[in-house]
Amino acid sequence: QSALTQPASVSGSPRQSITISCTGTSSDVDDYNYVSWYQQHPGKAPKLMIYDVNKRPSGISNRFSGSKSGNTASLTISGLQAEDEADYYCSSYISSSTHVVFGGGTKLTVL
Amino acid sequence: QVQLVQSGAEVKRPGASVKVSCKASGYTFNGYYIHWVRQAPGQGLEWMGRINPNSGGTNYAQKFQGRVTMTGDTSINTAYVELSTLRSDDTAIYYCARGIYYDNIGLLRWGQGTLVTVSS
Repeated sequence: QSALTQPASVSGSPRQSITISCTGTSSDVDDYNYVSWYQQHPGKAPKLMIYDVNKRPSGISNRFSGSKSGNTASLTISGLQAEDEADYYCSSYISSSTHVVFGGGTKLTVL
Repeated sequence: QVQLVQSGAEVKRPGASVKVSCKASGYTFNGYYIHWVRQAPGQGLEWMGRINPNSGGTNYAQKFQGRVTMTGDTSINTAYVELSTLRSDDTAIYYCARGIYYDNIGLLRWGQGTLVTVSS
């Protein structure tokens, strides 16, 4: 299974908003509401930011929001802060023997 | 608190096998799938598979089928992943993770990672 498609990099200034896209197919993103987003700082384990397309785990800032339209999911970060600079990965359930597929990752730079 | 503690770093020769453990604490081990995800140096995340500790049932990513085995020991709340016929491109950090609820793929809790280096 091919990975979900994410932009390699995005950037924004403090207090701005950015959106990271995650494009899949009819076998994954389009067909299931099981999209998750992770934040990963260098040398650290990934951290769950969004699950089931648009739900936030306890303790995650409401500056992070998720959405989906067709085969493309999106993560929006509002009010950018320096500590948001990290790699971001999407994942989705996929209807095959491979149950989960990740995106290639997006490096967010806060200017 | 919920914790997943993994075994230490490994160095293996090409063609060998490696087995990584993941000890769970702070929650009902049988109540959540354990997933295994790996990350090669400088690369992205790659899902390897998952195990239901209650039933022992597994789902493996197509890429790893025939080369990976995931098991669990409910008596000591520990999950294992074994990867055989290692190649240099298996060099990666291997993570275990638990979903936010039973079989959800939103992975809330992660182990600290285990570096596996494959080198001759």
